[in-house]
Amino acid sequence: EAQVTQNPRYLITVTGKKLTVTCSQNMNHEYMSWYRQDPGLGLRQIYYSMNVEVTDKGDVPEGYKVSRKEKRNFPLILESPSPNQTSLYFCASRRQGAYNEQFFGPGTRLTVL
Amino acid sequence: GQSLEQPSEVTAVEGAIVQINCTYQTSGFYGLSWYQQHDGGAPTFLSYNALDGLEETGRFSSFLSRSDSYGYLLLQELQMKDSASYFCAAGSSNTGKLIFGQGTTLQVKP
Repeated sequence: EAQVTQNPRYLITVTGKKLTVTCSQNMNHEYMSWYRQDPGLGLRQIYYSMNVEVTDKGDVPEGYKVSRKEKRNFPLILESPSPNQTSLYFCASRRQGAYNEQFFGPGTRLTVL
Repeated sequence: GQSLEQPSEVTAVEGAIVQINCTYQTSGFYGLSWYQQHDGGAPTFLSYNALDGLEETGRFSSFLSRSDSYGYLLLQELQMKDSASYFCAAGSSNTGKLIFGQGTTLQVKP
């Protein structure tokens, strides 16, 4: 089954404790990205990657890091989480240049205390 | 800048027809997509228009006018399960990005 998976689905942590949210896709997509979703603000892009070893900032990159060492994986790293990073996070993937359909993971609900 | 505008909320009754509009300002525009998101769930793809005109997929249709930088999603024979948020998204060949609107919350009432 073609899918994007994320782990964990739910996470409660404390300020300053480094965490990683994993994302993996099995569709051989070149393009992957991370979004955060907050009430009233829609989907805001954090980082994206057009291919292996190619990453770039989205609209709200502060406080986040990413890496793309393999085509299928695109982890999101919060080195020192803060309460304003409490949000719902989505990973997504699509074929490069295919703007018609983007596949989203199930989401990770993160709470930073 | 690059942006998409859509209404924040729409309410309709079961069985009715509703239209959700989207206007965009996107450099290197490369088609308009629509996504549905139920509360707490992941956005899922509904429809895509690369060219002007109407695309129909069952009860859902989507329209695009490139000259007006405008599109809409039309939902017919509304059902309670259609209550969700709907996002328009525009592809930009300049940036390689897919840019999302803020979303429209549709409430379907009995």
